[in-house]
Amino acid sequence: DGGITQSPKYLFRKEGQNVTLSCEQNLNHDAMYWYRQDPGQGLRLIYYSQIVNDFQKGDIAEGYSVSREKKESFPLTVTSAQKNPTAFYLCASMGRTGNQPQHFGDGTRLSIL
Amino acid sequence: ILNVEQSPQSLHVQEGDSTNFTCSFPSSNFYALHWYRWETAKSPEALFVMTLNGDEKKKGRISATLNTKEGYSYLYIKGSQPEDSATYLCAVDSNYQLIWGAGTKLIIKP
Repeated sequence: DGGITQSPKYLFRKEGQNVTLSCEQNLNHDAMYWYRQDPGQGLRLIYYSQIVNDFQKGDIAEGYSVSREKKESFPLTVTSAQKNPTAFYLCASMGRTGNQPQHFGDGTRLSIL
Repeated sequence: ILNVEQSPQSLHVQEGDSTNFTCSFPSSNFYALHWYRWETAKSPEALFVMTLNGDEKKKGRISATLNTKEGYSYLYIKGSQPEDSATYLCAVDSNYQLIWGAGTKLIIKP
């Protein structure tokens, strides 16, 4: 079945460590997105990519980095510069033809050790 | 900066009652309006994507309307059931970047 796979489901980060969250889609979507959700808040955009080898900063990109070397994959690295990384991270993808909805993965919950 | 607002923030509804809530947005730079349903421990699920002024969409007991001239959309749930308990998110598509509201949390009381 087509869909978006995020891994791991839970992740723990030590001080000063970079961690990478995986997002893979087999929907043949051009656009992919990373969101962060904190308790009581809506979805905030970290980074998005509309095409391979191109990506744009969202509203809260500081302390994060991404790459888009393949259409199917859009990994997010949470760097040590992100001082408050504890949150729920959602990856999404969307087709760029017609008015299509975004499809979401099941999310990764990141916590600090 | 595009700002999408949803109201109310939360809502308690008796099982069997109908309810509705609102998504407001600036009417400029509008491409489409999305509604999603987000149940606890699951990922957001798309309900509707609407583009035209006056558009109405329906999926079972859930329906939505869109007014792009005045910048609002309503989501209606008829005859609420416990499984309707979720957070309902709306988002405005502005050139393939979705701008999200904070959601309306709906709790159905049995």
